[in-house]
Amino acid sequence: LAKTTQPISMDSYEGQEVNITCSHNNIATNDYITWYQQFPSQGPRFIIQGYKTKVTNEVASLFIPADRKSSTLSLPRVSLSDTAVYYCLVGSESSASKIIFGSGTRLSIRP
Amino acid sequence: GAGVSQSPSNKVTEKGKDVELRCDPISGHTALYWYRQSLGQGLEFLIYFQGNSAPDKSGLPSDRFSAERTGGSVSTLTIQRTQQEDSAVYLCASSIPGTSGIDNEQFFGPGTRLTVL
Repeated sequence: LAKTTQPISMDSYEGQEVNITCSHNNIATNDYITWYQQFPSQGPRFIIQGYKTKVTNEVASLFIPADRKSSTLSLPRVSLSDTAVYYCLVGSESSASKIIFGSGTRLSIRP
Repeated sequence: GAGVSQSPSNKVTEKGKDVELRCDPISGHTALYWYRQSLGQGLEFLIYFQGNSAPDKSGLPSDRFSAERTGGSVSTLTIQRTQQEDSAVYLCASSIPGTSGIDNEQFFGPGTRLTVL
């Protein structure tokens, strides 16, 4: 089973860039790295996914070093509405049932 | 289009009663997942369906828990003889291979909050 480790919580302020790092030392060759965001009383929702190097979309960037044993989710210029729990997952369609969400990182944004 | 829906949104039951939770996945999604989330905790994987079959039931906490999926669509999660420790939010997600070029993106429903008194 692909296991991930990420900080339990982080605090930041509006307008700052927030970087959340996830460790996944036993990532498999076919595994993708995926991040989800969860607001209170809602199900998680997909943010971004990558396999290697850097991926950027309208919400975030994902940085993955060459060894793929870690990844960093970068949220530019956060706002209060970015306060949520962020989950890092590794896995693939072929191992769909083995994807573990873990406890996530609780991000709190202050004014 | 319509997302994943779950019913009921809230369920309060007495210890020892049976409950059924329903999940309607996004039309055409072949994979369906059930998770459980206790207050302030992460998601606990329960079971995964590919079509109507469940290749992985390893997350079911006990034999009081069962799930089925019919017609490759609707799924029900049944908890028999409920216990207080079953109280949690039960989340359902569905996915389809190759959606928008993303590997196994899961789309979640709003969850069912189960309270066992």
